[in-house]
Amino acid sequence: GAVVSQHPSWVICKSGTSVKIECRSLDFQATTMFWYRQFPKQSLMLMATSNEGSKATYEQGVEKDKFLINHASLTLSTLTVTSAHPEDSSFYICSARAVAGGTYEQYFGPGTRLTVT
Amino acid sequence: RKEVEQDPGPFNVPEGATVAFNCTYSNSASQSFFWYRQDCRKEPKLLMSVYSSGNEDGRFTAQLNRASQYISLLIRDSKLSDSATYLCVVRPYAGNNRKLIWGLGTSLAVNP
Repeated sequence: GAVVSQHPSWVICKSGTSVKIECRSLDFQATTMFWYRQFPKQSLMLMATSNEGSKATYEQGVEKDKFLINHASLTLSTLTVTSAHPEDSSFYICSARAVAGGTYEQYFGPGTRLTVT
Repeated sequence: RKEVEQDPGPFNVPEGATVAFNCTYSNSASQSFFWYRQDCRKEPKLLMSVYSSGNEDGRFTAQLNRASQYISLLIRDSKLSDSATYLCVVRPYAGNNRKLIWGLGTSLAVNP
């Protein structure tokens, strides 16, 4: 299947700093990428949908000025957590959508575990 | 009512047992249904799509009941490696807004 990578796989940062997470589709072009967040023992929650070359669509309750998303190319989307706080500590997972034979498949990255101290 | 509901478990079963999970969804117009598997601290991986007629993949069988708005996953002859969280996923909308709605997951522990 298609491969999606995320970098870094884990990061610890101090409160107030910003953290950038990269999501890359390695062997296919992804016109759409999704960013999810998962807290312990919780379900995946969609944060935003990112389309290449256009502004991301954020889900209700997700601050677009705090979670900056850039989808500059068909293989790369970035999520920047600005002015991180301990409550932003979570597992962030990206997903890239590929079109294969008319069906949309979503492939997930391995996730980035963010800890804000 | 949550859009997708699952019994969180945990289900503790011995190796070789048959175990079934159910999931209910609230939007009767939902389009597509999936079961994902998520291991601890890992990303979810697609286990199987669920088709209207039901489908089987090896030891795994998925069923869809649109009238009652639930889907099920049956695991036969369970292995230790089946221990994971099983996530029920529903795509309620067609068209470009193909969001996935995730259940909380059902935890399965297969014991030797």
